[in-house]
Amino acid sequence: DIQMTQSPSSLSASVGDRVTITCRASQSISSYLNWYQQKPGKAPKLLIYAASSLQSGVPSRFSGSGSGTDFTLTISSLQPEDFATYYCQQSYTTGITFGQGTRLEIK
Amino acid sequence: QVQLVQSGAEVKKPGASVKVSCKASGYTFTGYYMHWVRQAPGQGLEWMGRINPNSGGTNYAQKFQGRVTMTRDTSISTAYMELSRLRSDDTAVYYCAREVVVVAATEDWFDPWGQGTLVTVSS
Repeated sequence: DIQMTQSPSSLSASVGDRVTITCRASQSISSYLNWYQQKPGKAPKLLIYAASSLQSGVPSRFSGSGSGTDFTLTISSLQPEDFATYYCQQSYTTGITFGQGTRLEIK
Repeated sequence: QVQLVQSGAEVKKPGASVKVSCKASGYTFTGYYMHWVRQAPGQGLEWMGRINPNSGGTNYAQKFQGRVTMTRDTSISTAYMELSRLRSDDTAVYYCAREVVVVAATEDWFDPWGQGTLVTVSS
């Protein structure tokens, strides 16, 4: 299976900050990389698909980049509703795998 | 709108089986793979497998091979995930999620997800 490693595992930031989360794959996955946001007690929500495409309805402060093995999710100006856990996911192989998650907390 | 609605919470004893349902609406059920993902308390997301609702064909994560069975009933647009020989570490929220792919054999992603079904395994 392809291993997905996110960093950091947790992050404290303030409203208005610019935040970057990194996801690294154990082998090249081209652009088969998606990002999800999960809030406590809720199902994950798709933010970014195919590495850099913004899902409809998701605010433009979210962006994704990368290809191959290294990817980033950037939030340009944190809003109160952005405090949540973020997961990357590879769909390059049928054996789908997720990163371990990055918990974004209020400083 | 596209929606996945799952069955309610379950409490099972070790060694028992559980069957979770996922009813789809707002799209052509047979046109999209359905995946199952679980999340243990305080833990991350773990992919379990997928089913092609059109053919019934399945792919399971190796970890669950022999214990999980995914089926569907196209007449009621519902997918099922059955997990047998339950253990305490199977306690988790189980999600179904629709796979979206715009062009065949290109990138795909999960959208939407069901609301989740909590399965508790306890003696």
